[in-house]
Amino acid sequence: GEDVEQSLFLSVREGDSSVINCTYTDSSSTYLYWYKQEPGAGLQLLTYIFSNMDMKQDQRLTVLLNKKDKHLSLRIADTQTGDSAIYFCAEKEEYGNKLVFGAGTILRVKS
Amino acid sequence: ETGVTQTPRHLVMGMTNKKSLKCEQHLGHNAMYWYKQSAKKPLELMFVYNFKEQTENNSVPSRFSPECPNSSHLFLHLHTLQPEDSALYLCASSQAASGFTDTQYFGPGTRLTVL
Repeated sequence: GEDVEQSLFLSVREGDSSVINCTYTDSSSTYLYWYKQEPGAGLQLLTYIFSNMDMKQDQRLTVLLNKKDKHLSLRIADTQTGDSAIYFCAEKEEYGNKLVFGAGTILRVKS
Repeated sequence: ETGVTQTPRHLVMGMTNKKSLKCEQHLGHNAMYWYKQSAKKPLELMFVYNFKEQTENNSVPSRFSPECPNSSHLFLHLHTLQPEDSALYLCASSQAASGFTDTQYFGPGTRLTVL
């Protein structure tokens, strides 16, 4: 079945860039997503990328997709303490509306 | 605010209790989802409803019983739960346009503790 893997933890200094990585196994994935979860809250959609794109930029966020290697990354420029949260990568199967999530990466931003 | 609300936000129940979780979406979506989020485990999809019809049951034990009376409301009825069912239960909704992005929007979750 489909599988999505992420590193568990990332620590950066305020003002630095953060790069969160994700690998997936389903080559027929159509869309890939990044969600953010703050303590005690639900998942907030950050951005998504269609599988025929290799890059998408949205303000401080840059998503890179290497479809050949099935690797997705989220870069956060000028990371702020408010960016501290858990970040989830998810892939959407080709048919239907099911998402498969990674276990999440805890981002800790030190001031 | 994502347009998806869940009540209650916190629930403590005994193993013999019966309770229900409620989810409501104000986005005009046609698909609704229940997920379970346990500590140190990936988000687990439990149920999917498209246009009020259940289209996915991810091998969920029968002590969890979903109900979708209309496209805006989704319930999860709980009975004779086990302590290992303690988790954050998240509801989500999407447009249900399969083949398009069909982005899912999540509610804040219900933190359930089973004693």
